[in-house]
Amino acid sequence: EPEVTQTPSHQVTQMGQEVILRCVPISNHLYFYWYRQILGQKVEFLVSFYNNEISEKSEIFDDQFSVERPDGSNFTLKIRSTKLEDSAMYFCASSELAYNEQFFGPGTRLTVL
Amino acid sequence: KQEVTQIPAALSVPEGENLVLNCSFTDSAIYNLQWFRQDPGKGLTSLLLIQSSQREQTSGRLNASLDKSSGRSTLYIAASQPGDSATYLCAVRGNSGYSTLTFGKGTMLLVSP
Repeated sequence: EPEVTQTPSHQVTQMGQEVILRCVPISNHLYFYWYRQILGQKVEFLVSFYNNEISEKSEIFDDQFSVERPDGSNFTLKIRSTKLEDSAMYFCASSELAYNEQFFGPGTRLTVL
Repeated sequence: KQEVTQIPAALSVPEGENLVLNCSFTDSAIYNLQWFRQDPGKGLTSLLLIQSSQREQTSGRLNASLDKSSGRSTLYIAASQPGDSATYLCAVRGNSGYSTLTFGKGTMLLVSP
């Protein structure tokens, strides 16, 4: 069964460093998303991406964040100059169409020291 | 702004019991609602997607109902098993925008043998 994959599963970085989180969405899906979940809190929407551009973003997704689809399969989230409060689980998701069921990857746990 | 609340926050039941998890949302202008399961430290597994025009949706021992006008959904789990132990998340998708999901905090379910 097709699934969303994410790498790495755990990333540890120093405050101020840049990190890139990688995702491979399900192959025939057109919409891609990033969400995050700070420990003990709700899953929060960051950004959605369609047709090689951002279609929607939340207040959390500021200039520190960027997304890219560098090739036909990968979807990345870049966090520039990480802060302690960026420590969270980051989930990638994809859906075939805008309002279809979203399928989530296993997540990348980001720890900023 | 859409707010999603899930009650109870935690539930502990003996194996074999039927149980109901509750989800409420403040803005009834939703397109659909999705129930997920999250195991500790893991990603989100989609369980059911229920469209705003539907009253209920079933998958195996799971049944989700939706009352859009009152802003409520329930997830019914029949004949619970220890393997059902997980956190159950409810997420709603609004009518506008590109299908951002707004999540509740979840109900942590423990089914004891």
